[in-house]
Amino acid sequence: EVQLVQSGGGLVQPGGSLRLSCTASGFSVSAHYMTWVRQAPGKGLEWVSAIYDDGSAYYAEFVKGRFTISRDNSKNTLYLQMTSLRVEDTAVFYCTKVARNWPLDYWGQGALVTVSS
Amino acid sequence: QSALTQPASVSGSPGQSITISCTGTSSDIGFYNLVSWYQQHPGKAPRLMISEVYERPSGVSIRFSGSKSGNTASLTISGLQPDDEANYYCCSYADSGTLLFGGGTKLTVL
Repeated sequence: EVQLVQSGGGLVQPGGSLRLSCTASGFSVSAHYMTWVRQAPGKGLEWVSAIYDDGSAYYAEFVKGRFTISRDNSKNTLYLQMTSLRVEDTAVFYCTKVARNWPLDYWGQGALVTVSS
Repeated sequence: QSALTQPASVSGSPGQSITISCTGTSSDIGFYNLVSWYQQHPGKAPRLMISEVYERPSGVSIRFSGSKSGNTASLTISGLQPDDEANYYCCSYADSGTLLFGGGTKLTVL
C-alpha cells in the first residue's frame, strides 16, 4: 500500500528555516517524480517544487533561491528545506507522488508551517 | 505564469449534474493533455479524481468525467450526491517541470 507520512512542520519566525520530511512506503521515491504543494489558510492549492527521478529539481518563482527539494534514497524520504521564511509562506505543505503524465496520485497528510513573530 | 481560472462556486441539487470549468492558455491547458482534477473535503488532503483530461483512476465513481476544448478543461459530476460537496481544483502541467493549479471551486449540494 502506498503511503506518504509527513513530519517537520511548526512555528518559525520570519527569516528562519525549517525542514519538512515525507517518508514513503509502498514505492521508491527515487523511481518517481515527487512534488511539494502548499495551501495557505482558506486559500487554494499552489505548486511549490518538483524533483524528477533523475534528480532534476524545479521550483515555483516565489521560492527560488529559498527552498531546496531533495531526497534520501536510503531512507525513502523526500525533503523540503525552507530558508528565509516569510509570513506569506504560512501554509499546509503536502508532499505528493507523481504518476505517469503528471497526475498527483498520492498525497501526504500535510504539515502546517506557521511563520510568525 | 498565472493560476488557472475556475468559478469560485457552483451548486446543484441531489441527482442533478454540474460542470466546473478551468481556463488556461495555449501554453498550458491548450498545449498539453495533462490536466488533472482534485477533490478536497475540509481539513483533508486532496484526492485525485481525473487525470490526463478524462482518465478516471481506479476507485473513482463513473459519475465523474473530464473533457477539454481549446484552453478550457471541464469536470462534470452527474447524479450529485451529498458527499460530492467539496472544493475542486484543476491542475495542468505547464512546461519545465512546473504545475499550475486553478483557484478552486466550492461545490454546494443543495
